Amino acid sequence: QVQLVESGGGVVQPGRSLRLSCAASGFTFSTYGMHWVRQAPGKGLEWVALIWYDGSNKYYADSVKGRFTISRDNSKNTLYLQMDTLRAEDTAVYYCATDKGYRFGHALDYWGQGTLVTVSS
Amino acid sequence: DIQMTQSPSSLSASVGDRVTITCRASLNISTYLNWYQQTPGKAPKLLIYAATNLQSGVPSRFSGSGSETDFTLAISSLQPEDLATYYCQQSYGTPYIFGQGTNLEIK
Repeated sequence: QVQLVESGGGVVQPGRSLRLSCAASGFTFSTYGMHWVRQAPGKGLEWVALIWYDGSNKYYADSVKGRFTISRDNSKNTLYLQMDTLRAEDTAVYYCATDKGYRFGHALDYWGQGTLVTVSS
Repeated sequence: DIQMTQSPSSLSASVGDRVTITCRASLNISTYLNWYQQTPGKAPKLLIYAATNLQSGVPSRFSGSGSETDFTLAISSLQPEDLATYYCQQSYGTPYIFGQGTNLEIK
């Protein structure tokens, strides 16, 4: 069965960096686009970034553009989110999710359990 | 960016009721509209993709309709386990904006 497991969250000071990982299993990771979505405490969902199946194209929310970098290692079935120059407003649970594909409207169909990032001094 | 306006922001209904949630896009997104359910403390779950298609394993009491700018999620007969927050999301183009959510309570 499809499994996505995020890791790397924690408490970090403003201005510092953190790298999240998402380990994928149960499907052919290298054929799926992947997303990061976040949710601040008590708030709604915010789409963060998308990477194509082969890593050739990457897209970001304006709120993280220039500070966050999405990447993947298909040989390790792992998705990453490098987060630099972190701000208090980046505090959130971060989810990775699979992209269902063009034929299915690019819906996000499988989600991990999330990892909490807290940016605080 | 495409803006998504979801209504109502909260809703209270009784078991067995028919419930509808609407989502409006700021421009024509064809049928690139998805619906998610998030129960307390859990990750979101895909319910409906491409406006009208039921995700595998989702109960048939859930349905989606609409196209272009106006979309609806319907629950035909509300069940206690439907207590959740529901989000629409456009996937027509990045950024893939979510609606602000509808908090559904059971009376």
